[in-house]
Amino acid sequence: GNSVTQMEGPVTLSEEAFLTINCTYTATGYPSLFWYVQYPGEGLQLLLKATKADDKGSNKGFEATYRKETTSFHLEKGSVQVSDSAVYFCALKSGGADGLTFGKGTHLIIQP
Amino acid sequence: DTAVSQTPKYLVTQMGNDKSIKCEQNLGHDTMYWYKQDSKKFLKIMFSYNNKELIINETVPNRFSPKSPDKAHLNLHINSLELGDSAVYFCASSQDLVGYGYTFGSGTRLTVV
Repeated sequence: GNSVTQMEGPVTLSEEAFLTINCTYTATGYPSLFWYVQYPGEGLQLLLKATKADDKGSNKGFEATYRKETTSFHLEKGSVQVSDSAVYFCALKSGGADGLTFGKGTHLIIQP
Repeated sequence: DTAVSQTPKYLVTQMGNDKSIKCEQNLGHDTMYWYKQDSKKFLKIMFSYNNKELIINETVPNRFSPKSPDKAHLNLHINSLELGDSAVYFCASSQDLVGYGYTFGSGTRLTVV
């Protein structure tokens, strides 16, 4: 079956630091890959996505590249802000009727 | 206008009670989902409906029964609540079964005491 593994948190960084949150996946076929963000007390919001190998998703300064050879979709941001503090979920979706499969989430804390 | 709205936002109830959570989407999507998020933030799909038809029914106790009166609504009824049911329940919708753009509600925090 499908699965997503992402680094355990919490990850604590200082403002303006470089961020990497690792994500690897196991899936049949060629899934689409996603990063969702959950701010405190809120639902999940789509941050970025990539639907095929070598695609790069980007939004709000965050980027992730779909690497089929390493089955990875690592999230990066060059300079984080306090407002980026949230829980980040890597997810995949295979074709057909399967729902999204999520990783366990990484809690990111940015200190001023 | 909230795209996917859930009610109530918070629900505190005693063990053994029966409760319902309601979800409505105004996006015109065909597919709706219920996800459970446990205390460690892990998200797991429970059910999905497409045009009122049950598509995914993961290993969930029979005490959980979804109902979709129309494609804009997906309610979750829980019988004989147990302590382990305490979690945040998220409703979501997508254009169709293969749609990639999920829109999530803001969640219902259920606490069973």
